Amino acid sequence: DIQMTQSPSSLSASVGDRVTITCRASQNIRDSLNWYHQKPGKAPNLLIYAASSLQSGVPSRISGSGSGTDFTLTISSLQPEDFGTYYCQQTYSPWVSFGGGTNVEIK
Amino acid sequence: QVQLVESGGGAVQPGRSLRLSCAASGFTFRSYGMHWVRQAPGKGLEWVALISDNGSNKYYAGSVKGRFTISRDNVRNTLDLQMNSLRAEDTATYFCATSYGGLDAFDIWGQGTMVTVSS
Repeated sequence: DIQMTQSPSSLSASVGDRVTITCRASQNIRDSLNWYHQKPGKAPNLLIYAASSLQSGVPSRISGSGSGTDFTLTISSLQPEDFGTYYCQQTYSPWVSFGGGTNVEIK
Repeated sequence: QVQLVESGGGAVQPGRSLRLSCAASGFTFRSYGMHWVRQAPGKGLEWVALISDNGSNKYYAGSVKGRFTISRDNVRNTLDLQMNSLRAEDTATYFCATSYGGLDAFDIWGQGTMVTVSS
């Protein structure tokens, strides 16, 4: 199985800050990496697919990069609505797996 | 609109069974692979199972293999998860999800149904 490791597990940042979350795969997954945002009590919301493609309706301050085993999600200017938990996910294998999550708190 | 609605959750004792359902609407259900994902209280997302569009291929997480069975009815547009030999660690909110936009990512999710396994 492909293991996904996210870091940090949590962070606290101010509105306007640049925030970076990393995700590492245990093997080469090419660009089969997606990012989700989840708020408490809600289903996850797709942000980025195929490592760097922005899902329709997602603000352009959010971006993704990387390929192979190392990936990054960047929020260029953190907004109040960006609080919540972010997850990476690999779909390279039919046995899909998620990272452990990064909880983002607004200072 | 494109929608997934889960049902069937509830409280059950360890060792018992429960069957979850996911009703799909607004899209050609038979053309899409379908997934179950779960989330234990206060924990992260865990992928559970995948069934191909025609139901011929099924994949399971190691934690549920041999106990859970994913199935689908492409006439009734429903996805099911039969959960047997339930354990306390199966307590979670269960979501169904699919890659509707062909993005190889889960762009459509249901609202989730809660399963509590406790004596």
